[in-house]
Amino acid sequence: AQRVTQPEKLLSVFKGAPVELKCNYSYSGSPELFWYVQYSRQRLQLLLRHISRESIKGFTADLNKGETSFHLKKPFAQEEDSAMYYCALDTDTDKLIFGTGTRLQVFP
Amino acid sequence: DSGVTQTPKHLITATGQRVTLRCSPRSGDLSVYWYQQSLDQGLQFLIQYYNGEERAKGNILERFSAQQFPDLHSELNLSSLELGDSALYFCASSNRRNSWNYGYTFGSGTRLTVV
Repeated sequence: AQRVTQPEKLLSVFKGAPVELKCNYSYSGSPELFWYVQYSRQRLQLLLRHISRESIKGFTADLNKGETSFHLKKPFAQEEDSAMYYCALDTDTDKLIFGTGTRLQVFP
Repeated sequence: DSGVTQTPKHLITATGQRVTLRCSPRSGDLSVYWYQQSLDQGLQFLIQYYNGEERAKGNILERFSAQQFPDLHSELNLSSLELGDSALYFCASSNRRNSWNYGYTFGSGTRLTVV
Protein backbone atom coordinates (compact mmCIF):
# COMPACT_ATOMS: atom_id res chain seq x y z
CA ALA A 1 0.00 0.00 0.00
CA GLN A 2 1.11 3.54 -0.68
CA ARG A 3 1.28 5.48 2.52
CA VAL A 4 3.01 8.42 4.14
CA THR A 5 3.39 8.52 7.90
CA GLN A 6 4.22 11.56 9.96
CA PRO A 7 4.22 10.28 13.53
CA GLU A 8 4.23 13.64 15.27
CA LYS A 9 1.17 15.89 15.19
CA LEU A 10 2.97 18.65 17.04
CA LEU A 11 6.60 19.52 17.51
CA SER A 12 7.52 22.39 19.80
CA VAL A 13 11.02 23.80 20.07
CA PHE A 14 12.71 27.00 21.15
CA LYS A 15 14.31 29.37 18.72
CA GLY A 16 17.81 28.24 17.82
CA ALA A 17 17.16 24.58 18.61
CA PRO A 18 17.57 21.87 15.97
CA VAL A 19 14.46 20.53 14.31
CA GLU A 20 13.70 17.16 12.77
CA LEU A 21 10.28 16.45 11.31
CA LYS A 22 9.88 12.76 10.67
CA CYS A 23 8.42 11.21 7.55
CA ASN A 24 8.27 7.55 6.58
CA TYR A 25 6.76 6.18 3.44
CA SER A 26 5.52 2.91 2.07
CA TYR A 27 5.87 2.40 -1.65
CA SER A 28 7.20 -0.49 -3.68
CA GLY A 29 8.36 1.58 -6.63
CA SER A 30 10.82 4.42 -6.98
CA PRO A 31 9.45 7.25 -4.82
CA GLU A 32 9.35 10.94 -5.51
CA LEU A 33 9.12 12.76 -2.22
CA PHE A 34 8.32 16.32 -1.31
CA TRP A 35 7.90 18.53 1.71
CA TYR A 36 5.14 21.13 1.62
CA VAL A 37 4.64 23.93 4.11
CA GLN A 38 1.43 25.69 5.03
CA TYR A 39 1.52 28.94 6.99
CA SER A 40 -1.62 29.91 8.95
CA ARG A 41 -4.09 27.92 6.81
CA GLN A 42 -2.80 29.52 3.62
CA ARG A 43 -2.12 27.59 0.46
CA LEU A 44 0.37 24.77 0.56
CA GLN A 45 3.74 25.71 -0.82
CA LEU A 46 6.39 23.38 -2.07
CA LEU A 47 9.36 23.50 0.28
CA LEU A 48 11.66 20.74 -0.87
CA ARG A 49 11.81 17.98 -3.46
CA HIS A 50 14.12 15.08 -2.85
CA ILE A 51 15.35 14.91 -6.39
CA SER A 52 16.95 18.32 -6.24
CA ARG A 53 18.84 17.74 -2.97
CA GLU A 54 18.61 21.42 -2.19
CA SER A 55 18.40 23.48 0.97
CA ILE A 56 15.50 25.89 1.27
CA LYS A 57 15.22 28.34 4.17
CA GLY A 58 17.85 26.26 5.94
CA PHE A 59 15.83 23.05 5.67
CA THR A 60 17.22 19.88 4.17
CA ALA A 61 15.82 16.41 3.67
CA ASP A 62 17.58 13.24 2.65
CA LEU A 63 15.88 10.25 1.17
CA ASN A 64 16.87 7.07 2.95
CA LYS A 65 15.55 4.17 0.92
CA GLY A 66 16.79 1.61 3.40
CA GLU A 67 14.74 3.15 6.20
CA THR A 68 12.05 4.43 3.80
CA SER A 69 12.36 7.84 5.38
CA PHE A 70 12.54 11.43 4.24
CA HIS A 71 13.00 13.43 7.42
CA LEU A 72 13.09 17.23 7.29
CA LYS A 73 15.85 18.88 9.25
CA LYS A 74 17.01 22.33 10.21
CA PRO A 75 19.94 22.98 12.54
CA PHE A 76 18.61 26.21 14.07
CA ALA A 77 14.88 26.85 14.13
CA GLN A 78 13.47 30.35 13.65
CA GLU A 79 10.12 31.72 14.83
CA GLU A 80 9.03 32.22 11.24
CA ASP A 81 9.39 28.48 10.68
CA SER A 82 6.23 27.92 12.71
CA ALA A 83 3.81 26.29 10.30
CA MET A 84 2.22 23.03 9.26
CA TYR A 85 4.54 20.71 7.38
CA TYR A 86 3.34 17.94 5.10
CA CYS A 87 5.41 15.15 3.64
CA ALA A 88 4.11 13.92 0.29
CA LEU A 89 4.72 10.95 -1.96
CA ASP A 90 4.27 11.17 -5.70
CA THR A 91 3.69 7.75 -7.20
CA ASP A 92 3.57 6.54 -10.74
CA THR A 93 -0.21 6.70 -10.53
CA ASP A 94 0.20 10.45 -10.69
CA LYS A 95 -1.45 11.00 -7.33
CA LEU A 96 0.16 12.96 -4.52
CA ILE A 97 -0.30 11.22 -1.19
CA PHE A 98 0.10 13.37 1.88
CA GLY A 99 0.97 12.51 5.42
CA THR A 100 -1.25 13.86 8.19
CA GLY A 101 1.10 16.75 8.79
CA THR A 102 3.20 18.00 11.69
CA ARG A 103 2.64 21.37 13.27
CA LEU A 104 5.94 23.01 14.15
CA GLN A 105 5.83 25.62 16.88
CA VAL A 106 8.97 27.64 17.47
CA PHE A 107 8.94 29.61 20.69
CA PRO A 108 11.07 32.73 21.21
CA ASP B 1 0.09 34.42 -7.15
CA SER B 2 0.73 30.70 -7.62
CA GLY B 3 -1.16 30.60 -10.91
CA VAL B 4 -3.92 28.35 -9.56
CA THR B 5 -7.11 30.28 -8.97
CA GLN B 6 -9.93 29.07 -6.78
CA THR B 7 -13.31 30.70 -6.35
CA PRO B 8 -15.02 31.52 -4.15
CA LYS B 9 -12.63 32.02 -1.26
CA HIS B 10 -15.35 31.61 1.33
CA LEU B 11 -18.73 29.94 1.18
CA ILE B 12 -21.36 29.63 3.87
CA THR B 13 -24.38 27.50 3.17
CA ALA B 14 -27.04 25.47 4.94
CA THR B 15 -27.26 21.73 5.35
CA GLY B 16 -28.90 19.96 2.46
CA GLN B 17 -27.77 22.55 -0.06
CA ARG B 18 -25.55 22.14 -3.11
CA VAL B 19 -22.48 24.19 -3.96
CA THR B 20 -19.94 24.36 -6.77
CA LEU B 21 -16.29 25.16 -6.24
CA ARG B 22 -14.23 26.31 -9.16
CA CYS B 23 -10.56 25.91 -9.98
CA SER B 24 -8.48 27.31 -12.82
CA PRO B 25 -5.15 25.52 -13.12
CA ARG B 26 -1.82 27.12 -13.79
CA SER B 27 -1.29 27.85 -17.46
CA GLY B 28 -0.01 24.77 -19.25
CA ASP B 29 -0.94 22.31 -16.49
CA LEU B 30 -3.17 19.49 -17.65
CA SER B 31 -3.75 17.79 -14.30
CA VAL B 32 -6.09 19.11 -11.64
CA TYR B 33 -6.39 17.62 -8.18
CA TRP B 34 -8.92 18.27 -5.44
CA TYR B 35 -8.12 17.90 -1.76
CA GLN B 36 -10.19 18.33 1.35
CA GLN B 37 -8.53 19.65 4.48
CA SER B 38 -10.39 19.37 7.74
CA LEU B 39 -9.12 19.79 11.27
CA ASP B 40 -9.51 16.17 12.25
CA GLN B 41 -8.74 14.44 8.95
CA GLY B 42 -5.78 16.36 7.60
CA LEU B 43 -5.35 16.61 3.85
CA GLN B 44 -7.43 14.06 1.97
CA PHE B 45 -7.14 13.43 -1.75
CA LEU B 46 -10.53 13.54 -3.44
CA ILE B 47 -10.12 13.25 -7.18
CA GLN B 48 -7.82 13.97 -10.10
CA TYR B 49 -8.49 14.94 -13.69
CA TYR B 50 -6.07 14.92 -16.55
CA ASN B 51 -6.91 16.77 -19.75
CA GLY B 52 -10.63 16.39 -19.16
CA GLU B 53 -10.67 12.80 -18.02
CA GLU B 54 -10.92 11.38 -14.54
CA ARG B 55 -7.56 9.86 -13.66
CA ALA B 56 -7.71 8.87 -10.02
CA LYS B 57 -10.21 8.80 -7.22
CA GLY B 58 -9.59 9.01 -3.53
CA ASN B 59 -11.88 9.33 -0.55
CA ILE B 60 -14.62 11.16 -2.38
CA LEU B 61 -18.19 10.75 -1.21
CA GLU B 62 -20.93 9.85 -3.65
CA ARG B 63 -22.56 13.20 -2.85
CA PHE B 64 -19.51 14.86 -4.37
CA SER B 65 -18.65 14.99 -8.04
CA ALA B 66 -16.22 16.84 -10.22
CA GLN B 67 -15.40 17.51 -13.83
CA GLN B 68 -12.76 19.16 -15.93
CA PHE B 69 -13.82 21.24 -18.89
CA PRO B 70 -12.17 21.65 -22.31
CA ASP B 71 -10.51 24.86 -21.15
CA LEU B 72 -9.03 22.75 -18.30
CA HIS B 73 -10.78 24.50 -15.46
CA SER B 74 -12.41 22.17 -12.99
CA GLU B 75 -15.47 22.26 -10.79
CA LEU B 76 -16.14 20.32 -7.63
CA ASN B 77 -19.82 19.85 -6.87
CA LEU B 78 -20.89 19.10 -3.33
CA SER B 79 -24.53 18.19 -2.73
CA SER B 80 -26.79 17.31 0.19
CA LEU B 81 -24.31 19.11 2.37
CA GLU B 82 -23.77 18.04 5.94
CA LEU B 83 -22.13 19.83 8.84
CA GLY B 84 -19.16 17.50 8.54
CA ASP B 85 -18.46 18.75 5.02
CA SER B 86 -17.20 22.01 6.45
CA ALA B 87 -13.56 22.18 5.45
CA LEU B 88 -10.98 23.89 3.33
CA TYR B 89 -11.04 22.56 -0.23
CA PHE B 90 -7.83 22.90 -2.15
CA CYS B 91 -7.23 22.55 -5.83
CA ALA B 92 -3.77 21.80 -7.22
CA SER B 93 -2.43 21.50 -10.72
CA SER B 94 0.62 19.99 -12.31
CA ASN B 95 2.27 19.29 -15.59
CA ARG B 96 3.12 15.64 -15.30
CA ARG B 97 6.30 16.06 -17.26
CA ASN B 98 7.52 18.50 -14.63
CA SER B 99 5.76 17.45 -11.46
CA TRP B 100 8.74 15.37 -10.36
CA ASN B 101 10.81 18.51 -10.40
CA TYR B 102 8.35 21.23 -9.51
CA GLY B 103 5.77 19.37 -7.46
CA TYR B 104 2.21 20.48 -7.51
CA THR B 105 0.99 24.06 -7.36
CA PHE B 106 -1.83 24.69 -4.95
CA GLY B 107 -4.54 27.29 -4.98
CA SER B 108 -5.45 29.29 -1.91
CA GLY B 109 -8.47 27.13 -1.22
CA THR B 110 -12.18 27.58 -0.69
CA ARG B 111 -13.33 27.60 2.89
CA LEU B 112 -16.74 25.96 3.09
CA THR B 113 -18.85 26.37 6.19
CA VAL B 114 -22.05 24.39 6.44
CA VAL B 115 -24.47 25.68 9.06
